[in-house]
Amino acid sequence: NAGVTQTPKFRILKIGQSMTLQCTQDMNHNYMYWYRQDPGMGLKLIYYSVGAGITDKGEVPNGYNVSRSTTEDFPLRLELAAPSQTSVYFCASSYGVEGAPGNTIYFGEGSWLTVV
Amino acid sequence: DAKTTQPPSMDCAEGRAANLPCNHSTISGNEYVYWYRQIHSQGPQYIIHGLKNNETNEMASLIITEDRKSSTLILPHATLRDTAVYYCIVRVAGGTSYGKLTFGQGTILTVHP
Repeated sequence: NAGVTQTPKFRILKIGQSMTLQCTQDMNHNYMYWYRQDPGMGLKLIYYSVGAGITDKGEVPNGYNVSRSTTEDFPLRLELAAPSQTSVYFCASSYGVEGAPGNTIYFGEGSWLTVV
Repeated sequence: DAKTTQPPSMDCAEGRAANLPCNHSTISGNEYVYWYRQIHSQGPQYIIHGLKNNETNEMASLIITEDRKSSTLILPHATLRDTAVYYCIVRVAGGTSYGKLTFGQGTILTVHP
């Protein structure tokens, strides 16, 4: 049981380039999330998904896209990278809506992205 | 989600109890108190959550005041590995609030030898 796995761990992008951050979980969780964390700040929700085929915007979705074709995978795509997207990105998952016993959110180890 | 206020930093001696306070004076009746921590360069880790009763698990205890306007996270025997940023989050569980955790600045807990 690997939990939530993110790749790559580190990446440098040039302005205008595109890339996809991969996220997979092996806990059969229905809910998956993408957050970003800027230096010295708290996490902000980018997108979330409540199941395969269903996604919705979070607090800061501009400049990103997601898809959820399987329960396990929730990739985050950056189109036309900008310096403002330099951040640490965390993928997370939970079995159900948290609050019920066991439905806590599990986070991946993070992906460090620098746009130059 | 209700706003929370935490001290920016705290120190604790190794082996002693660490008591981390959180104020949430505008909490609503259906909002839970959650605690997460983030050890440097790692993803946040769930610690504990509660609604109105005190809660205890293998990591910590959560004490919520009777009026629910504040709470305290207690790490009973702090170790050096407990040095981290601790986040107190108040939010509704369930409904359409899916994972919309609002992480503020948190409290930087430093455990000293």
